[in-house]
Amino acid sequence: EVQLLDSGGGLVQPGGSLRLSCAASGFTFSSYAMSWVRQAPGKGLEWVSGISTSGTSTYSADSVRGRFTISRDNSKNTVYLQMNSLRAEDTAIYYCARVFPLDVWGPGTTVTVSS
Amino acid sequence: EIVLTQSPGTLSLSPGERATLSCKASQSVSITSLAWYQQKPGQAPRLLTYGATSRATGVPDRFSGSGSGTDFTLTISRLEPEDFAVYYCQQYGLYRATFGQGTKLEIK
Repeated sequence: EVQLLDSGGGLVQPGGSLRLSCAASGFTFSSYAMSWVRQAPGKGLEWVSGISTSGTSTYSADSVRGRFTISRDNSKNTVYLQMNSLRAEDTAIYYCARVFPLDVWGPGTTVTVSS
Repeated sequence: EIVLTQSPGTLSLSPGERATLSCKASQSVSITSLAWYQQKPGQAPRLLTYGATSRATGVPDRFSGSGSGTDFTLTISRLEPEDFAVYYCQQYGLYRATFGQGTKLEIK
């Protein structure tokens, strides 16, 4: 079964850091670009970051550029999102997804930035 | 950055009726780069259509996408109770994307 399982969310203070992980199974992970998408409480979807199949090309939304870094380890079938300098407005459910279009999604992991 | 504007914000219909959801882009979008998603409370989004008109695997044929240029439409031909949810359009490039703000389809 094609599956993504995201993890690593939690409660963090403003200015803190967190690393999210997304483990893939059931498909050839190294053949697919990947993305992170987030959803703030009661709000819509926001694309956050994307990475190429090899990991050599990465892209981020203006709202997180310079603070968030996407990476992948094809030997572990895992994509990561390193989040630094977290702000209250980064509070959201974070989904990893296979691209494009986003045809496979993880269940999401919740990040709460609060003191 | 391409901005997608969805309308209406909320659509109130009854089961059995036809639903028409609109997505307008601030500039022309390639027909191969427009997708629609459905999201139910507490769940991850689900891909419905892509390439503007192609249905994703397992999606019932009552869902259809259409449009070109800056105007795109998701049509649900005959609403089933499980179709009441929030719908998002999305345009995507090689590695980045933007979403519309969503249309909530609620039971009248």
